[in-house]
Amino acid sequence: AQKVTQAQTEISVVEKEDVTLDCVYETRDTTYYLFWYKQPPSGELVFLIRRNSFDEQNEISGRYSWNFQKSTSSFNFTITASQVVDSAVYFCASTDSNYQLIWGAGTKLIIKP
Amino acid sequence: KAGVTQTPRYLIKTRGQQVTLSCSPISGHRSVSWYQQTPGQGLQFLFEYFSETQRNKGNFPGRFSGRQFSNSRSEMNVSTLELGDSALYLCASSFPGLAEEGSTQYFGPGTRLTVL
Repeated sequence: AQKVTQAQTEISVVEKEDVTLDCVYETRDTTYYLFWYKQPPSGELVFLIRRNSFDEQNEISGRYSWNFQKSTSSFNFTITASQVVDSAVYFCASTDSNYQLIWGAGTKLIIKP
Repeated sequence: KAGVTQTPRYLIKTRGQQVTLSCSPISGHRSVSWYQQTPGQGLQFLFEYFSETQRNKGNFPGRFSGRQFSNSRSEMNVSTLELGDSALYLCASSFPGLAEEGSTQYFGPGTRLTVL
């Protein structure tokens, strides 16, 4: 069965440190999509990035970067120079054969001032 | 463009009652999906509606139902509420739909349902 694993339940770092959130997915599909979402305390899931299975190019957006490696079925997310406002729960998800989202359990990120 | 809106934001009901939640998608989006989020089970897919038709369904009992109107607004209904239905219910819209290639879903703020 398809599955997304976010092994880190909670990470706590001091502001300005770099932090990497891990995501490992399992799929038998050759075409699939990977996503990261952020859920601040308000509850709304905020879309961060979408990547398709044929595009292994890493992406950088400001302080955020994503490393997609098909060989290890990983799609890790790094925040550089973390800020208190980055505190949230971060979810990784992949699509199944019906393009429904399969979600990881989430990683709670705490940035201390 | 306005984002996805959900009403009400908070709801308290008692066991056995029924509830209806509403979702207005981003203008132009035709697909609406519903998710249940609980601390124990995480995010679980309920169903997806596209052009007023339910196209995909998750593994939930028949007490959970939904519909979509011609303007793409969607409602979900839960009948005979149980304590375990207490959750954050999230609605997401996408253009065009999940069945299309990995369409990105944009989420509303959710409705927090408490069943007493």
